[in-house]
Amino acid sequence: EDQVTQSPEALRLQEGESSSLNCSYTVSGLRGLFWYRQDPGKGPEFLFTLYSAGEEKEKERLKATLTKKESFLHITAPKPEDSATYLCAVPPYGGSQGNLIFGKGTKLSVKP
Amino acid sequence: KAGVTQTPRYLIKTRGQQVTLSCSPISGHRSVSWYQQTPGQGLQFLFEYFSETQRNKGNFPGRFSGRQFSNSRSEMNVSTLELGDSALYLCASSPGQGTVQETQYFGPGTRLLVL
Repeated sequence: EDQVTQSPEALRLQEGESSSLNCSYTVSGLRGLFWYRQDPGKGPEFLFTLYSAGEEKEKERLKATLTKKESFLHITAPKPEDSATYLCAVPPYGGSQGNLIFGKGTKLSVKP
Repeated sequence: KAGVTQTPRYLIKTRGQQVTLSCSPISGHRSVSWYQQTPGQGLQFLFEYFSETQRNKGNFPGRFSGRQFSNSRSEMNVSTLELGDSALYLCASSPGQGTVQETQYFGPGTRLLVL
C-alpha cells in the first residue's frame, strides 16, 4: 500500500537552531514528491517539488532533498515566522494528476 | 493571477442536512481536486475532476459527490451529514494535462461544523 510517514510529529526549536524534518514514502514508481507549508486555519502553501533521487531545491532558509526512500526538509537558522505545519505528499501508483497521498505533517514551533 | 477561491469559508449544519461547497480554480487550470482534512486522519483525497468528468475518486462513501462546470469551477456536495463530517474541506487546482506530476495549488478551505 502506498503511504507517506512524516517524523517527528512535532518539533520545537529555538530561533537560529537548525534541524531537519523527515518524510518517508513507499510508492511504486515515484512521480514526484511535494512539500507544503500550512498555517493554522489556512490551505497548504506550495514549497517544493522533487522528481528524482539526488535532487535538491532551496528557498530562503529551507532546503529539500530526495533519496529513493525519503525526503528531508532542512531548516537553517529558523525564525519564528517559520512556525507552521509542514506536509509532504506523493502521487499514488497509477493515480491521476489531481490525486496526492499526504503525510500527517510535522508541526514546527520556533521560539524567539 | 488570482489563487484558488472557496466559498463559503465557514459553515455550521446539523446532522441529516446536506451541504454544497464551491471552488473556483486558478485561471487556466482544468483539474480540480477536493480533500478532507481532520486532526485524526490528516489530508485525505476525495475526488478529482477534469474537463467536467470525475477522473479519480478516494475512499469515501457515496454521500460525498461533486461536479465540475464548463468554466472549470467545481462544487462538492455532502448529503445526510454526520458528526464525523466536521472538517476542513480543501480544493486544489492544477493545469491537469502535464506529462509529469503537476503541482496542485490549494484554496483557503471551507470549515464545516456538523452539530
